[in-house]
Amino acid sequence: EVQLVQSGAEVKKPGESLKISCEGSGYRFTTYWIGWVRQMPGKGLELMGIIYPGDSDTRYSPSFQGQVTISADKSISTAYLQWNSLKASDTAMYYCVTPLGITLIRGVITGVGRFDPWGQGTLVTVSS
Amino acid sequence: QSALTQPASVSGSPGQSITISCTGTSSDVGGYNYVSWYQQHPGKAPKLMIYEVSNRPSGVSNRFSGSKSGNTASLTISGLLAEDEADYYCSSYTSSSTLVVFGGGTKLTVL
Repeated sequence: EVQLVQSGAEVKKPGESLKISCEGSGYRFTTYWIGWVRQMPGKGLELMGIIYPGDSDTRYSPSFQGQVTISADKSISTAYLQWNSLKASDTAMYYCVTPLGITLIRGVITGVGRFDPWGQGTLVTVSS
Repeated sequence: QSALTQPASVSGSPGQSITISCTGTSSDVGGYNYVSWYQQHPGKAPKLMIYEVSNRPSGVSNRFSGSKSGNTASLTISGLLAEDEADYYCSSYTSSSTLVVFGGGTKLTVL
């Protein structure tokens, strides 16, 4: 069974750093993209970015470029989402996802079929 | 404001059918057959219900169906059950660098 298991909830202060994780199992980790989706309290879903663990090719949504770092360690089948300096507005639930049906033409992503499966979510609370 | 427009809420009685719309543009919903629908129960992660406009993943009830016309996609749930009460989100691939856009979500209430 394909599964994504995320690290536990975090409570941090503004300005602190944080790295949350997502371990994939039940499939060949290096051959599927993995992504992060943010859900702010009471709000909808936003794709933050995706990474291909095989070669660490990373694509960020413009709203999140420069705000977070997405990385992966293929030796332990784990993807990460990292902040260097948290803000109160980073308070949200973060889900890792497997984007399937990605099509690439000369390095340009021309299609993303669906997100399946999803991790269970990591709640990040940033408060002074 | 979300990139895709969904009604904030819909409701129906058990056994009835409901349809949730998802309106985008020719750069996303209208231009590609990469529309997905997700169900999210309170406190749970979203679950894929429909992908590529009208395909159902294994294990999803055939009471759920999807379609698209122009820039608007639709999710129809027939034979409503109490367990269908949840938030539903549509998403689509977009030709912008955002890659995927979501709707704002629709709260389904089963009366």
